[in-house]
Amino acid sequence: QVQLVQSGAEVKKPGASVKVSCRASGYTFTGYYIHWVRQAPGQGLEWMGWINPNSGDSKYAQKFQGRVSITRDTSINTAYMELIRLKSDDTAIYYCAKGEGRDSWGQGTLVTVSS
Amino acid sequence: QSALTQPASVSGSPGQSITISCTGTSSDVGSYNYVYWYQQHPGKAPKLMISDVSNRPSGVSNRFSGSKSGNTASLTISGLQADDEADYYCSSYTSSRTYVFGSGTKVTVL
Repeated sequence: QVQLVQSGAEVKKPGASVKVSCRASGYTFTGYYIHWVRQAPGQGLEWMGWINPNSGDSKYAQKFQGRVSITRDTSINTAYMELIRLKSDDTAIYYCAKGEGRDSWGQGTLVTVSS
Repeated sequence: QSALTQPASVSGSPGQSITISCTGTSSDVGSYNYVYWYQQHPGKAPKLMISDVSNRPSGVSNRFSGSKSGNTASLTISGLQADDEADYYCSSYTSSRTYVFGSGTKVTVL
């Protein structure tokens, strides 16, 4: 069965960076895009970007341009989302999701940004 | 890219039908049949309910249906059940090769 397993919770200080991983199993990793979506406490879903694991091509929401980088390592079927220059309002649960329709989701990774 | 517009809340009694709207622009909903709907229960990851405007993934109840007219997509839940109480989000592909989510709708079963 398809599984996306994300790395554990992180606590960071403002100005720092965070890198969240998403390990895929149960399907051909290079056959489907991986998307990253975040959800601040009590708020809605916010699309951050996608990566084509086959080509490495990526695309980001304008809001995150210059601060986010989505990469992958096909040897271990893992995608990564790195967010730099963290601010307190980056505190959120970060999800990875598979495919154009995002038909499978990781369990989420809570990133807390606090001084 | 602004979020797609959804009503903040919709409610209905068990057995009734409700419809959630999702209004975008000609740069997203109006131009592409890549509209998706997600259900999210508290503390859980979102679940895909409808893809490509009106397609139900395997395992999703046929009580859920989707449609689109112009810049507005809609999700209809028929035969409302207690477990349908959740937050619902629409999402669309955009002309910038990005995606955008709706503002979210809280469905309450009375």
